[in-house]
Amino acid sequence: DIQMTQSPSTLSASVGDRVTITCRASQSIDNWLAWYQQMSGKAPKVLIYKASILETGVPSRFSGSGSGTEFTLTISSLQPDDFATYYCQQYSRYPRTFGQGTKVEI
Amino acid sequence: EVQLVESGGGLVQPGGSLRLSCAASGFTFSSYWMNWVRQAPGKGLEWVANINQDGSEKNYVDSVKGRLTISRDNTKNSLYLQMTSLRAEDTAVYYCARGDHSGYDHYCYSWGQGTRVTVSS
Repeated sequence: DIQMTQSPSTLSASVGDRVTITCRASQSIDNWLAWYQQMSGKAPKVLIYKASILETGVPSRFSGSGSGTEFTLTISSLQPDDFATYYCQQYSRYPRTFGQGTKVEI
Repeated sequence: EVQLVESGGGLVQPGGSLRLSCAASGFTFSSYWMNWVRQAPGKGLEWVANINQDGSEKNYVDSVKGRLTISRDNTKNSLYLQMTSLRAEDTAVYYCARGDHSGYDHYCYSWGQGTRVTVSS
Protein backbone atom coordinates (compact mmCIF):
# COMPACT_ATOMS: atom_id res chain seq x y z
CA ASP A 1 0.00 0.00 0.00
CA ILE A 2 1.09 3.58 -0.60
CA GLN A 3 1.68 5.39 2.69
CA MET A 4 0.76 9.07 2.84
CA THR A 5 2.51 11.12 5.53
CA GLN A 6 1.40 14.64 6.37
CA SER A 7 3.31 17.23 8.32
CA PRO A 8 2.78 18.83 10.66
CA SER A 9 0.04 16.91 12.50
CA THR A 10 -1.09 20.10 14.21
CA LEU A 11 -0.49 23.66 13.16
CA SER A 12 -1.18 26.73 15.28
CA ALA A 13 -1.84 29.86 13.25
CA SER A 14 -3.65 33.17 13.24
CA VAL A 15 -6.08 34.82 10.86
CA GLY A 16 -4.11 36.28 7.96
CA ASP A 17 -1.21 33.83 8.25
CA ARG A 18 0.19 31.94 5.27
CA VAL A 19 -0.04 28.24 6.01
CA THR A 20 1.66 25.33 4.28
CA ILE A 21 0.93 21.64 4.80
CA THR A 22 3.13 18.93 3.33
CA CYS A 23 2.10 15.46 2.15
CA ARG A 24 4.64 12.80 1.18
CA ALA A 25 3.88 9.56 -0.62
CA SER A 26 5.89 6.38 -0.04
CA GLN A 27 6.19 5.94 -3.81
CA SER A 28 5.50 8.06 -6.85
CA ILE A 29 1.85 8.86 -7.46
CA ASP A 30 2.48 11.29 -10.36
CA ASN A 31 -0.08 14.01 -9.63
CA TRP A 32 -2.97 11.78 -8.56
CA LEU A 33 -3.53 13.61 -5.29
CA ALA A 34 -6.53 15.31 -3.72
CA TRP A 35 -6.81 17.57 -0.68
CA TYR A 36 -9.87 17.64 1.56
CA GLN A 37 -11.03 19.93 4.35
CA GLN A 38 -13.03 18.56 7.26
CA MET A 39 -14.71 20.87 9.72
CA SER A 40 -15.38 19.44 13.17
CA GLY A 41 -18.31 17.01 13.09
CA LYS A 42 -18.87 17.46 9.36
CA ALA A 43 -18.22 15.48 6.20
CA PRO A 44 -15.03 16.18 4.26
CA LYS A 45 -15.08 18.53 1.29
CA VAL A 46 -12.69 18.35 -1.65
CA LEU A 47 -10.51 21.42 -2.18
CA ILE A 48 -7.98 20.39 -4.80
CA TYR A 49 -7.56 17.47 -7.20
CA LYS A 50 -4.81 16.32 -9.51
CA ALA A 51 -2.41 17.97 -7.05
CA SER A 52 -3.03 21.56 -8.15
CA ILE A 53 -6.50 22.01 -9.67
CA LEU A 54 -8.89 23.99 -7.51
CA GLU A 55 -12.34 22.42 -7.24
CA THR A 56 -15.16 24.69 -8.40
CA GLY A 57 -16.28 27.08 -5.69
CA VAL A 58 -13.16 26.75 -3.54
CA PRO A 59 -11.62 30.13 -2.62
CA SER A 60 -8.49 31.09 -4.52
CA ARG A 61 -6.50 31.46 -1.28
CA PHE A 62 -6.13 27.68 -1.42
CA SER A 63 -3.49 26.26 -3.76
CA GLY A 64 -1.75 22.96 -4.27
CA SER A 65 1.53 21.95 -5.82
CA GLY A 66 3.86 19.02 -6.24
CA SER A 67 4.23 15.79 -8.15
CA GLY A 68 5.81 12.41 -7.66
CA THR A 69 6.15 11.97 -3.91
CA GLU A 70 6.03 15.45 -2.40
CA PHE A 71 3.03 17.77 -2.32
CA THR A 72 1.95 20.92 -0.55
CA LEU A 73 -1.31 22.63 0.29
CA THR A 74 -1.00 26.36 0.88
CA ILE A 75 -3.53 28.76 2.33
CA SER A 76 -2.31 32.23 1.40
CA SER A 77 -4.20 34.15 4.07
CA LEU A 78 -5.93 32.09 6.74
CA GLN A 79 -9.58 32.95 7.34
CA PRO A 80 -11.77 32.03 10.35
CA ASP A 81 -13.58 29.38 8.26
CA ASP A 82 -10.27 27.65 7.51
CA PHE A 83 -9.69 26.32 11.01
CA ALA A 84 -10.27 22.63 10.28
CA THR A 85 -8.47 19.36 9.61
CA TYR A 86 -6.94 18.79 6.19
CA TYR A 87 -6.27 15.44 4.54
CA CYS A 88 -4.39 14.43 1.44
CA GLN A 89 -5.42 11.32 -0.51
CA GLN A 90 -3.69 9.43 -3.30
CA TYR A 91 -5.76 7.91 -6.09
CA SER A 92 -2.91 6.45 -8.10
CA ARG A 93 -3.26 2.90 -6.82
CA TYR A 94 -5.53 0.71 -4.74
CA PRO A 95 -6.20 0.82 -1.92
CA ARG A 96 -6.80 4.56 -1.93
CA THR A 97 -5.00 5.97 1.10
CA PHE A 98 -5.26 9.17 3.11
CA GLY A 99 -2.70 11.06 5.12
CA GLN A 100 -3.26 11.10 8.88
CA GLY A 101 -4.54 14.67 8.78
CA THR A 102 -3.30 18.12 9.76
CA LYS A 103 -5.35 20.08 12.26
CA VAL A 104 -5.12 23.84 11.78
CA GLU A 105 -5.99 25.58 15.03
CA ILE A 106 -5.70 28.98 16.59
CA GLU B 1 -27.33 19.74 -6.25
CA VAL B 2 -25.67 16.46 -5.37
CA GLN B 3 -27.24 14.86 -2.31
CA LEU B 4 -26.15 11.68 -0.58
CA VAL B 5 -28.03 10.42 2.45
CA GLU B 6 -26.72 7.44 4.39
CA SER B 7 -28.81 5.27 6.68
CA GLY B 8 -28.70 1.91 8.42
CA GLY B 9 -26.07 2.53 11.07
CA GLY B 10 -26.47 1.50 14.68
CA LEU B 11 -25.19 -0.64 17.52
CA VAL B 12 -24.31 -4.23 16.67
CA GLN B 13 -22.55 -6.99 18.58
CA PRO B 14 -19.17 -8.36 17.46
CA GLY B 15 -19.73 -10.97 14.78
CA GLY B 16 -23.01 -9.37 13.78
CA SER B 17 -24.21 -7.91 10.50
CA LEU B 18 -25.53 -4.60 9.27
CA ARG B 19 -26.52 -3.14 5.90
CA LEU B 20 -25.81 0.49 5.15
CA SER B 21 -27.65 2.36 2.41
CA CYS B 22 -26.94 5.59 0.60
CA ALA B 23 -29.71 7.36 -1.33
CA ALA B 24 -28.42 9.56 -4.13
CA SER B 25 -30.09 12.47 -5.89
CA GLY B 26 -29.25 15.54 -7.92
CA PHE B 27 -27.09 13.72 -10.48
CA THR B 28 -27.18 10.77 -12.87
CA PHE B 29 -26.28 8.04 -10.38
CA SER B 30 -25.51 5.40 -12.98
CA SER B 31 -22.74 7.56 -14.50
CA TYR B 32 -20.40 7.65 -11.51
CA TRP B 33 -18.14 5.51 -9.41
CA MET B 34 -19.26 5.40 -5.79
CA ASN B 35 -17.22 4.99 -2.61
CA TRP B 36 -17.50 4.16 1.07
CA VAL B 37 -15.05 5.92 3.39
CA ARG B 38 -15.02 5.53 7.16
CA GLN B 39 -13.71 7.45 10.14
CA ALA B 40 -13.18 5.82 13.52
CA PRO B 41 -13.86 8.00 16.58
CA GLY B 42 -11.17 10.67 16.86
CA LYS B 43 -9.22 9.21 13.95
CA GLY B 44 -8.54 10.02 10.30
CA LEU B 45 -10.24 8.97 7.11
CA GLU B 46 -9.97 5.43 5.74
CA TRP B 47 -11.13 4.49 2.25
CA VAL B 48 -13.13 1.25 2.44
CA ALA B 49 -14.39 0.31 -1.02
CA ASN B 50 -15.62 1.56 -4.35
CA ILE B 51 -17.74 0.29 -7.23
CA ASN B 52 -17.96 1.25 -10.87
CA GLN B 53 -20.97 2.48 -12.75
CA ASP B 54 -22.56 -0.88 -13.57
CA GLY B 55 -21.33 -2.75 -10.52
CA SER B 56 -18.97 -5.00 -12.47
CA GLU B 57 -15.81 -3.71 -10.76
CA LYS B 58 -15.33 -3.46 -7.01
CA ASN B 59 -12.25 -2.62 -4.96
CA TYR B 60 -11.69 -3.02 -1.21
CA VAL B 61 -9.14 -2.22 1.45
CA ASP B 62 -7.57 -5.48 2.66
CA SER B 63 -8.94 -5.20 6.21
CA VAL B 64 -12.55 -5.60 5.03
CA LYS B 65 -12.17 -8.09 2.18
CA GLY B 66 -14.50 -11.05 2.65
CA ARG B 67 -16.55 -9.27 5.32
CA LEU B 68 -17.89 -6.08 3.74
CA THR B 69 -19.54 -6.07 0.32
CA ILE B 70 -20.30 -2.96 -1.75
CA SER B 71 -23.18 -3.01 -4.21
CA ARG B 72 -25.50 -0.63 -6.01
CA ASP B 73 -28.96 -0.50 -7.54
CA ASN B 74 -29.05 2.03 -10.35
CA THR B 75 -32.84 1.68 -10.68
CA LYS B 76 -33.16 2.95 -7.11
CA ASN B 77 -30.24 5.42 -7.18
CA SER B 78 -28.83 3.63 -4.17
CA LEU B 79 -25.48 2.41 -2.88
CA TYR B 80 -25.11 -0.29 -0.24
CA LEU B 81 -22.54 -1.73 2.11
CA GLN B 82 -23.33 -5.17 3.48
CA MET B 83 -21.31 -5.66 6.65
CA THR B 84 -20.81 -9.12 8.17
CA SER B 85 -18.53 -10.61 10.83
CA LEU B 86 -18.22 -7.16 12.34
CA ARG B 87 -15.35 -6.35 14.67
CA ALA B 88 -14.76 -3.62 17.21
CA GLU B 89 -12.32 -1.99 14.80
CA ASP B 90 -15.16 -1.49 12.30
CA THR B 91 -16.65 1.09 14.67
CA ALA B 92 -16.75 4.34 12.69
CA VAL B 93 -18.81 6.90 10.87
CA TYR B 94 -19.34 5.56 7.35
CA TYR B 95 -19.54 8.08 4.53
CA CYS B 96 -20.92 7.50 1.07
CA ALA B 97 -19.04 9.53 -1.54
CA ARG B 98 -19.52 10.09 -5.24
CA GLY B 99 -16.63 9.84 -7.63
CA ASP B 100 -15.36 12.85 -9.50
CA HIS B 101 -16.69 14.56 -12.64
CA SER B 102 -14.58 12.54 -15.04
CA GLY B 103 -16.50 9.35 -14.41
CA TYR B 104 -13.29 7.55 -13.50
CA ASP B 105 -12.41 6.10 -10.11
CA HIS B 106 -10.48 9.09 -8.89
CA TYR B 107 -11.17 11.27 -5.89
CA CYS B 108 -14.36 11.70 -3.85
CA TYR B 109 -16.20 14.72 -5.16
CA SER B 110 -19.21 14.84 -2.88
CA TRP B 111 -19.91 13.24 0.49
CA GLY B 112 -22.95 12.35 2.55
CA GLN B 113 -23.31 13.31 6.20
CA GLY B 114 -22.36 9.82 7.38
CA THR B 115 -23.98 7.07 9.42
CA ARG B 116 -22.48 5.80 12.68
CA VAL B 117 -21.73 2.13 13.23
CA THR B 118 -20.79 0.93 16.70
CA VAL B 119 -19.61 -2.65 17.21
CA SER B 120 -19.76 -3.52 20.88
CA SER B 121 -21.15 -6.12 23.23
